Amino acid sequence: GAVVSQHPSWVICKSGTSVKIECRSLDFQATTMFWYRQFPKQSLMLMATSNEGSKATYEQGVEKDKFLINHASLTLSTLTVTSAHPEDSSFYICSARPSENIQYFGAGTRLSVL
Amino acid sequence: KNEVEQSPQNLTAQEGEFITINCSYSVGISALHWLQQHPGGGIVSLFMLSSGKKKHGRLIATINIQEKHSSLHITASHPRDSAVYICAVPGSYNTDKLIFGTGTRLQVFP
Repeated sequence: GAVVSQHPSWVICKSGTSVKIECRSLDFQATTMFWYRQFPKQSLMLMATSNEGSKATYEQGVEKDKFLINHASLTLSTLTVTSAHPEDSSFYICSARPSENIQYFGAGTRLSVL
Repeated sequence: KNEVEQSPQNLTAQEGEFITINCSYSVGISALHWLQQHPGGGIVSLFMLSSGKKKHGRLIATINIQEKHSSLHITASHPRDSAVYICAVPGSYNTDKLIFGTGTRLQVFP
């Protein structure tokens, strides 16, 4: 099946630093990728839709200057959590869409901000 | 707005048991996803279906479009099936945006 690679799988950082998370589609091209956030024992919540070659579309309540998304190629989208704070600690998951109605998910990145 | 409800929320089973997880949604959809999330957090897409039934190994997914209901069945359950199972459907106004159920936490004991 299609593979979406997410890196790193786990990151610990100090408050105030920035963290970059990569999402790669390994065996297909994805013009659209999605970034989700999941707090413990809660459902995934869509943060933003990342479109190759254009600006990301952010969901209501998600700060675009806080969560920078870059989708520079058809196989790579990055999410940068800028000036991370403890409340940003969460599980971040990406998915990639090769075609309509199909999404393949990455394994997720657990971010802990000290 | 499409609402997704899953039942049960928690499920325990003995190894070998047949398991059923249910998902109901409120608005017509083009496709429904079943996902598996292991304790480590990683998500695996199990099925994407728009009608009828799909089978993959010991997993079977069915959907009834008219009744807005889908079920995920696990035959001959095994401890390694222990995970959270999540159904997701496209949003009403933005079909790219998946609406997720709250998940069913399954524990299979040997």
